[in-house]
Amino acid sequence: KAGVTQTPRYLIKTRGQQVTLSCSPISGHRSVSWYQQTPGQGLQFLFEYFSETQRNKGNFPGRFSGRQFSNSRSEMNVSTLELGDSALYLCASSSFREADTQYFGPGTRLTVL
Amino acid sequence: SQQGEEDPQALSIQEGENATMNCSYKTSINNLQWYRQNSGRGLVHLILIRSNEREKHSGRLRVTLDTSKKSSSLLITASRAADTASYFCATDNDYKLSFGAGTTVTVRA
Repeated sequence: KAGVTQTPRYLIKTRGQQVTLSCSPISGHRSVSWYQQTPGQGLQFLFEYFSETQRNKGNFPGRFSGRQFSNSRSEMNVSTLELGDSALYLCASSSFREADTQYFGPGTRLTVL
Repeated sequence: SQQGEEDPQALSIQEGENATMNCSYKTSINNLQWYRQNSGRGLVHLILIRSNEREKHSGRLRVTLDTSKKSSSLLITASRAADTASYFCATDNDYKLSFGAGTTVTVRA
């Protein structure tokens, strides 16, 4: 069974631009979560989707948004990029049967210049 | 804000030795999980221990949980170079995981 995939793996943007990151969960998984990892703040929860509905959202500004499609694939968008948005963005999926265990993708490394 | 704190922040051991790291958390939990991350890559789930369990084993891993002290420990026995990684504890609440700051383990050959 293929793991969680994230595209692109690396991205360089400039301040003020916007970016869209994509995540394909493990086949059959309907929950997708997003996390931001930075050296200063560590791993922080962004949002979680299940069957196209956002069930929880972390403490991030409205510039960060996400959505989930009917095939469970998910995207997150960051608008008006700031230098502090440079981070590793991790996507994770989980199944209904193993709701507590999250399977992570390799991440997208975003650099904002 | 992070739910837990790991201790120590960093650990350097010789191959074959055991590595122990601790995690403390703040609120009541349903379960506590440990994840491993190799050099800025994705996290790998290691083990989950439920709040009504006190100890759990998986291969060379042993996890304990003390809900009265709100703490957990992860023991890696007979460490190998491949165990070099960062280890994070995480608690889950309301469809999200809250991670600690992590313990960086370096296994020297």
